[in-house]
Amino acid sequence: DIVMTQSPLSLPVTPGESASISCRSNQSLLHSNGFNYLDWYLQKPGQSPQLLIYLGSKRASGVPDRFSGSGSGIDFTLKISRVEAEDVGIYYCMQALQIPATFGGGTKVDIK
Amino acid sequence: EVQLVQSGGGLVKPGGSLRLSCAASGYTFNTYSMNWFRQAPGKGLEWVSSISSSSSSISYSDSVKGRFTTSRDNAKNSLYLQMNSLRREDTAVYYCTRVIQWLTANDFWGQGALVTVSS
Repeated sequence: DIVMTQSPLSLPVTPGESASISCRSNQSLLHSNGFNYLDWYLQKPGQSPQLLIYLGSKRASGVPDRFSGSGSGIDFTLKISRVEAEDVGIYYCMQALQIPATFGGGTKVDIK
Repeated sequence: EVQLVQSGGGLVKPGGSLRLSCAASGYTFNTYSMNWFRQAPGKGLEWVSSISSSSSSISYSDSVKGRFTTSRDNAKNSLYLQMNSLRREDTAVYYCTRVIQWLTANDFWGQGALVTVSS
């Protein structure tokens, strides 16, 4: 199975500032079709997870443009520019290259 | 509006069975693959199973293989997870999702169904 490692575990943020979350896999997520099979999800308190980013950098429908995904191969980053109070929750990366799909341990983002 | 409405969770004894349902609406159900995920209390997310739009391809995690069965009824716009031989470690909130491409881009999630396995 592909192992996904996220950092940091916890990320206190100040509204209006930017924040970055790192996700690393122990195998390349780059498919021969040129896409990286890496998703980002946010689980707000008490809610189901929601899709933010797929294929490494594609923003899901309705996701604000302050969320961006980057990276290739084994190293990926989710950046939140101009953090808002509604962005608090646990962020997960997930590799979708091969079965079983596997998740990082999560990064808890809260407001300072 | 796309909606996935789950039902069927509850309390069951170890060794028992339970069937989860996921009713889809607001889109053409038979053109999308679907996934099941779960989340144990206070823990992270875990992939459970995937099923293609026509049910021609179904996959399971090793932890549920041989005990859980995923199926769908495209005429009823519904997805199912039959869970047999349940163990305490199967206790979790189970989510159904619509997925854009097999595993990637789970763009809509059900509200979750809590399954508690306890004597």
